Amino acid sequence: TQLLEQSPQFLSIQEGENLTVYCNSSSVFSSLQWYRQEPGEGPVLLVTVVTGGEVKKLKRLTFQFGDARKDSSLHITAAQPGDTGLYLCAFRTGANNLFFGTGTRLTVIP
Amino acid sequence: DAGITQSPRHKVTETGTPVTLRCHQTENHRYMYWYRQDPGHGLRLIHYSYGVKDTDKGEVSDGYSVSRSKTEDFLLTLESATSSQTSVYFCATRETEETQYFGPGTRLLVL
Repeated sequence: TQLLEQSPQFLSIQEGENLTVYCNSSSVFSSLQWYRQEPGEGPVLLVTVVTGGEVKKLKRLTFQFGDARKDSSLHITAAQPGDTGLYLCAFRTGANNLFFGTGTRLTVIP
Repeated sequence: DAGITQSPRHKVTETGTPVTLRCHQTENHRYMYWYRQDPGHGLRLIHYSYGVKDTDKGEVSDGYSVSRSKTEDFLLTLESATSSQTSVYFCATRETEETQYFGPGTRLLVL
């Protein structure tokens, strides 16, 4: 069974602070995705990273794929209350399905 | 947004009763998926479909069956609901290999 560990499990910070959340595995991935899920809704795709060492930016969010393609991080600069949600990473399996991590639940306090 | 609706959005049922959840999409996507989401487990794949009448099992398929008679509809059936099937169920469709869209979810409580 492939494992995808996300840390921290919970994170509560003040508005304006920076944060980083992590997604780690012992397996090598062809690609990795990050989703955000707000309460009562389904996950929404934020980004897909494919190349080892790749860095992608989405406004205040910076996504990095590890050089060995086994891990990824999401950094948020100057967090806003609208960033509150569950952040999930996922990789595509050999059967072309998605396997999700357990998520990091972020709360940004105004 | 891939025009995915799920029904019902909330359901309470009793152990041993059959339950069917419906997923409807308007984008004509070939692939459709059913996931369940539980605390500490993230999203886990139950079943998926790669075309009309073409389905396959996912990670946690025991106790569930699916049917897809039309491109736009994917049904998930719990033949005899158990308390362990209390969960939030999400339907998803796939536009490309890297793009999945999720529905709003169905919250199911089995008493």
